[in-house]
Amino acid sequence: AQSVTQLDSQVPVFEEAPVELRCNYSSSVSVYLFWYVQYPNQGLQLLLKYLSGSTLVKGINGFEAEFNKSQTSFHLRKPSVHISDTAEYFCAVRALQAGTALIFGKGTTLSVSS
Amino acid sequence: EPEVTQTPSHQVTQMGQEVILRCVPISNHLYFYWYRQILGQKVEFLVSFYNNEISEKSEIFDDQFSVERPDGSNFTLKIRSTKLEDSAMYFCASTTSGGAQETQYFGPGTRLLVL
Repeated sequence: AQSVTQLDSQVPVFEEAPVELRCNYSSSVSVYLFWYVQYPNQGLQLLLKYLSGSTLVKGINGFEAEFNKSQTSFHLRKPSVHISDTAEYFCAVRALQAGTALIFGKGTTLSVSS
Repeated sequence: EPEVTQTPSHQVTQMGQEVILRCVPISNHLYFYWYRQILGQKVEFLVSFYNNEISEKSEIFDDQFSVERPDGSNFTLKIRSTKLEDSAMYFCASTTSGGAQETQYFGPGTRLLVL
């Protein structure tokens, strides 16, 4: 079984500041890792995913995440946030078998103010 | 860009009533999923569906739930006798062939309120 822990439920930051949203996971099998974003009144949208290879993954909207196997972490970062980045961010894992479910964390609300 | 759509966006129902939530997955996708998110809690997997049968289901997906692909485009989730605790946002998702590396594309959700 897999589980995901997002360590911060809310992260307030000022515009143009850097941000890191933390995610740790637990799994007895190998998994793929994902970050999704949910803007108000919209569905979940993929930001980035780690499948294999380089542990630093770049996604849309200037976000990146680093997979750390020894620490079982997949933290999301952005060097300079915008007001438009205000949203809910979800970390998720998925076992390698076809058709398996995404297992989500509780989400982190990123609030960017000017 | 193709997208997953869901109807209705909001539904209010009385406890014990049946509800049907509708989803139109992306047209060339073959694997379909339902998830739900109770307010303030995690997004939870309910069920996956492939080739007209359930592929995987969670312990949440008990006998009061059912899924169906009644035609070539719609994918539905039926809750037979709603309970207060079924109040949640329900998300539909789809992928092309179900590979674990594939992106699941999510709809905007249906917010269900059971009174």
